[in-house]
Amino acid sequence: KAGVTQTPRYLIKTRGQQVTLSCSPISGHRSVSWYQQTPGQGLQFLFEYFSETQRNKGNFPGRFSGRQFSNSRSEMNVSTLELGDSALYLCASSLFQGFFETQYFGPGTRLLVL
Amino acid sequence: GESVGLHLPTLSVQEGDNSIINCAYSNSASDYFIWYKQESGKGPQFIIDIRSNMDKRQGQRVTVLLNKTVKHLSLQIAATQPGDSAVYFCAEKEKNAGNMLTFGGGTRLMVKP
Repeated sequence: KAGVTQTPRYLIKTRGQQVTLSCSPISGHRSVSWYQQTPGQGLQFLFEYFSETQRNKGNFPGRFSGRQFSNSRSEMNVSTLELGDSALYLCASSLFQGFFETQYFGPGTRLLVL
Repeated sequence: GESVGLHLPTLSVQEGDNSIINCAYSNSASDYFIWYKQESGKGPQFIIDIRSNMDKRQGQRVTVLLNKTVKHLSLQIAATQPGDSAVYFCAEKEKNAGNMLTFGGGTRLMVKP
């Protein structure tokens, strides 16, 4: 079974631009979560989607948004990019939203904001 | 590969020795704990998990110990191999928080041949 895939893998943007990142979960998985990883802050939860609905949101500004499609694929968008948004953005999927569900991560999209 | 922490604590072990990676957590409401391994250029990879009603769980060459009294989690890797070199993260999940994981800062494991 194919793992979680994320596109693009690398991205360079300039301040003020917006960016859209895509995540395809493992086939059959319905929950998708997004995380930001930086050297300074480590791994931080952005949001989670299940059945096209945002179920949880981390402590990030409204410039960070996301959505999930009926096929469980998810996208996240960052508007008005700032230098501090440079990070590795990771997507994780799990079968359901059960408490003990294992989450499987994709390879991430590395975003560099200049 | 990417840097996952400028000041990550580092554990250096000899190939074949056992490794112990520790993690402290602070949320008493956390009910589920997971260890992930992240190699350079890759996303975190699930290693093993443990529920709060357990104090020990074993996998293949790995054991996780949970001490809820002192809010401490450890990952033991037996007969450490060069392929175990990576950054290891503990993560916790709180009940009623959906799939939101809270990650620790990570420990870099370096295995000397």
